[in-house]
Amino acid sequence: DGGITQSPKYLFRKEGQNVTLSCEQNLNHDAMYWYRQDPGQGLRLIYYSQIVNDFQKGDIAEGYSVSREKKESFPLTVTSAQKNPTAFYLCATRTAANYGYTFGSGTRLTVV
Amino acid sequence: AQSVTQLDSQVPVFEEAPVELRCNYSSSVSVYLFWYVQYPNQGLQLLLKYLSGSTLVKGINGFEAEFNKSQTSFHLRKPSVHISDTAEYFCAVISSGNTPLVFGKGTRLSVIA
Repeated sequence: DGGITQSPKYLFRKEGQNVTLSCEQNLNHDAMYWYRQDPGQGLRLIYYSQIVNDFQKGDIAEGYSVSREKKESFPLTVTSAQKNPTAFYLCATRTAANYGYTFGSGTRLTVV
Repeated sequence: AQSVTQLDSQVPVFEEAPVELRCNYSSSVSVYLFWYVQYPNQGLQLLLKYLSGSTLVKGINGFEAEFNKSQTSFHLRKPSVHISDTAEYFCAVISSGNTPLVFGKGTRLSVIA
């Protein structure tokens, strides 16, 4: 089945540690996105990539980094510079046709 | 920059009653509009979308929405809700081209038995 795999589903880290969230897709979609979700805040865009080896900052990129070395993969690193990293993180892909977005099932990160 | 306003953060409604979830977007020359549903600890599932054509759009699970360009609105409706419709609903907009999807803050729909 085609889809998006986000792993792990739950992640716990100590304050000050970097952590990398995985997002893998087999949909052959060019564009990939990372959103952060907080209660009452909706989804806010962190980074996105429209082609391999290229990515752009979203609205809340500070404290995060990404890479796009392969079409299938778009990992997100939450660095120690991110002041409040505890949140639900969603990865999405987009097909060029009809602007359809497909979402992964998310990773809930808790920093203690 | 494009923005989306969902006018109600929470909407309680009795089972089998009708419901409307309101969404307004900032004006743009052309926009594409979406409604997504999210169940707890899950990703987002597309309910319906407006790209062009008829302003009344029908989606999954009996939902529909109407695009109103003059009022820059895209309200979601269902004539009779079920307990299983309890979830968070997000309105989203994309301008033409490759700009990313912009979301509203969500409306939590609670269906009461």
